[in-house]
Amino acid sequence: DGGITQSPKYLFRKEGQNVTLSCEQNLNHDAMYWYRQDPGQGLRLIYYSQIVNDFQKGDIAEGYSVSREKKESFPLTVTSAQKNPTAFYLCASRTVSGTIYGYTFGSGTRLTVV
Amino acid sequence: AQSVTQLGSHVSVSEGALVLLRCNYSSSVPPYLFWYVQYPNQGLQLLLKYTSAATLVKGINGFEAEFKKSETSFHLTKPSAHMSDAAEYFCAVSAGNEKLTFGTGTRLTIIP
Repeated sequence: DGGITQSPKYLFRKEGQNVTLSCEQNLNHDAMYWYRQDPGQGLRLIYYSQIVNDFQKGDIAEGYSVSREKKESFPLTVTSAQKNPTAFYLCASRTVSGTIYGYTFGSGTRLTVV
Repeated sequence: AQSVTQLGSHVSVSEGALVLLRCNYSSSVPPYLFWYVQYPNQGLQLLLKYTSAATLVKGINGFEAEFKKSETSFHLTKPSAHMSDAAEYFCAVSAGNEKLTFGTGTRLTIIP
């Protein structure tokens, strides 16, 4: 079955450490997105990519970095510059012509700073 | 610019009662509107979508929503709540720029 796989499901980070969250899709979708979810704040867009080797900052990109070397993969790195990284991170994708179809979401990664 | 406002961060209804979750949007162009459901520690699942066809949209699990342009609303309803409906619900809008903007969510609790 096609879908989006996020790994790991749970991740613990020490202060000052960079960590990378994986997002892989086999839906042949062109665009991919990273959202951060905090209680009571809904989903906030971190980065998005509509084509390989190109990506744009979202509303809260500071302290995060991404790459899009393959169509299927859009990893997110949470750097030490992100002062409050504890959150639930969701990856999503859609086809370029799929505006009216909404997004397909992964099952999320919960990141905790220890 | 586009935005979504969900009125009520928490809604409680009795099992078998009507579910009504409110969503108002703001958009400078005709919008596409979506409702998603999220169960604990899971991703978001699409419930239904409005894409400028019929204004009354039927989705999965017995949910439906009506697009009212004059009220800029897209409220989600279900005639009879079931225990399995307990979850968080997100309204989202996409209006021309193709990015989805989400509301802050409504947590639905079902009272036995």
